[in-house]
Amino acid sequence: GENVEQHPSTLSVQEGDSAVIKCTYSDSASNYFPWYKQELGKRPQLIIDIRSNVGEKKDQRIAVTLNKTAKHFSLHITETQPEDSAVYFCAAINNAGNMLTFGGGTRLMVKP
Amino acid sequence: NAGVTQTPKFQVLKTGQSMTLQCAQDMNHEYMSWYRQDPGMGLRLIHYSVGAGITDQGEVPNGYNVSRSTTEDFPLRLLSAAPSQTSVYFCASKLYRALNTEAFFGQGTRLTVV
Repeated sequence: GENVEQHPSTLSVQEGDSAVIKCTYSDSASNYFPWYKQELGKRPQLIIDIRSNVGEKKDQRIAVTLNKTAKHFSLHITETQPEDSAVYFCAAINNAGNMLTFGGGTRLMVKP
Repeated sequence: NAGVTQTPKFQVLKTGQSMTLQCAQDMNHEYMSWYRQDPGMGLRLIHYSVGAGITDQGEVPNGYNVSRSTTEDFPLRLLSAAPSQTSVYFCASKLYRALNTEAFFGQGTRLTVV
């Protein structure tokens, strides 16, 4: 089955700096890669996603890049703010669309 | 439109007790799933269903049963709770035929087994 690895497990940045979280996946047939943000005590919520036919997608301060050849994808957050502090999860869905596998999560702390 | 609703939000069980975690969605999603979230382990898939009458195992199915008698409901049953099942449980649903679409999560159930 699919295996998704996520790094780093914790990330601390100063407000205004950029943050980058990286993930690798094992199943070359996976074709959808969402990113979820989970605030303390809350449910995970989708913040951005990318499909396998696209190399990069941007939404205001967040962007995701995908390298299918290397089987890795990354989340980029620019101009970080204290409210960006949360746990971020990457995920990959298999070709059949029935298995959504998550990475281990990254705890992002933005210091004011 | 309530989305995905889980009950209860908190539960304490004694070892060996049984219980059912409830999950309901009102978005007419074919696909429903259960995850457990342990510290530092991310979200691990327990069971999933792609429609009424169809269920399948995920990554960590042992100790859990599911059924899907309606499109809306997908309960998770613990037959004999063990301390290793102490975790936060999330139910999630999404469209299935569209394959790559957003999964919506319930608010979670924090389960402690003593």
